[in-house]
Amino acid sequence: ETGVTQTPRHLVMGMTNKKSLKCEQHLGHNAMYWYKQSAKKPLELMFVYSLEERVENNSVPSRFSPECPNSSHLFLHLHTLQPEDSALYLCASSQDDVGRETQYFGPGTRLLVL
Amino acid sequence: AQKVTQAQTEISVVEKEDVTLDCVYETRDTTYYLFWYKQPPSGELVFLIRRNSFDEQNEISGRYSWNFQKSTSSFNFTITASQVVDSAVYFCALSAFNNAGNMLTFGGGTRLMVKP
Repeated sequence: ETGVTQTPRHLVMGMTNKKSLKCEQHLGHNAMYWYKQSAKKPLELMFVYSLEERVENNSVPSRFSPECPNSSHLFLHLHTLQPEDSALYLCASSQDDVGRETQYFGPGTRLLVL
Repeated sequence: AQKVTQAQTEISVVEKEDVTLDCVYETRDTTYYLFWYKQPPSGELVFLIRRNSFDEQNEISGRYSWNFQKSTSSFNFTITASQVVDSAVYFCALSAFNNAGNMLTFGGGTRLMVKP
């Protein structure tokens, strides 16, 4: 099993739909992250979880709702999204949530909001 | 505040050429870490290297080498004898040593195209 997996890899949804992105890490790490990568924009950190507690919420709109049921799984629940939310959503994990730790990324979910 | 600048947005080379990707950073922290990641068309960010601010030794890993110059706040990445499989977007990133929340500051990325 590869280190960090994400499902689905591709998702198309309407603005009124509700969907969830799933991330799973098999590295025994304690911290997990959601990033958004839009075309021609730098990577944006959305949320940080450490030991299942949210430690960072980077002014993300409430239509994005994260959930971390345990240290291996991270979800991003989506509802009433806008077309500008179309992007690549990347999950990452690291041993702990401090700057000296390397973050390992999953393959991402390409989201298209119509 | 931290900042990472990758001035080269796109580089195109022919296979077997050497290529250097530039990274310049700004931070007030005295202890910090620098990273390089590769993002192939599939989308996943692949970790390449981590370097702490006290270790200025250059590093070589196969065809990859990194030149860390604290005096110029640069952490450049060289690919020797480039191959088509090296085509990707490369990101330089910075994190303070005790940065709670492990907030990585990414550069804008350099898209490398290696032509056969």
